[in-house]
Amino acid sequence: EDKVVQSPLSLVVHEGDTVTLNCSYEVTNFRSLLWYKQEKKAPTFLFMLTSSGIEKKSGRLSSILDKKELFSILNITATQTGDSAVYLCAYCTQGGSEKLVFGKGTKLTVNP
Amino acid sequence: DSGVTQTPKHLITATGQRVTLRCSPRSGDLSVYWYQQSLDQGLQFLIQYYNGEERAKGNILERFSAQQFPDLHSELNLSSLELGDSALYFCASSASSGAENIQYFGAGTRLSVL
Repeated sequence: EDKVVQSPLSLVVHEGDTVTLNCSYEVTNFRSLLWYKQEKKAPTFLFMLTSSGIEKKSGRLSSILDKKELFSILNITATQTGDSAVYLCAYCTQGGSEKLVFGKGTKLTVNP
Repeated sequence: DSGVTQTPKHLITATGQRVTLRCSPRSGDLSVYWYQQSLDQGLQFLIQYYNGEERAKGNILERFSAQQFPDLHSELNLSSLELGDSALYFCASSASSGAENIQYFGAGTRLSVL
């Protein structure tokens, strides 16, 4: 069965720390992997990764995909309290539906 | 703001009742997706519509149905509600299919079945 496993499930850090969130997946018809940030309600889009080894960056956030080993990481450097959220990883499959299959998320708490 | 609008924000109803959740996609987006988020299950795909036609179904219950109208807004109908249907229901939209298909989520409707 296709699935996504995120680790750790929760993480508590201090402002200024660097964190790495992990996402491994098993899927037969992989198209892309996406990261979302969920604060109060709506998941907000962070990155989409389709090619192995190419890092995507946005400010203090970056992400990379390894299609051979079937995992992705999301890095956040110099964390701020505003980074506190649940980070969701999801894959999208090829052909037919473009549904997203989500992991259960990593809850990140950044303390001042 | 993602540009996806969902109404209502909150719904409180009783078991056995029927409710309708509404979604307006981002301007120009042809695909609409519905997801359910509960505490124990995480975000689960329910159904996708593309330009008015059903494209894919997930583990959507038979008591649930959806449609997409000519103006591309979508409605999710939930009937014979049970306590276990209490959850956050999200709508997402995307421009079209293809490798760069990014789904943008609305703020969700929180359904409480009492």
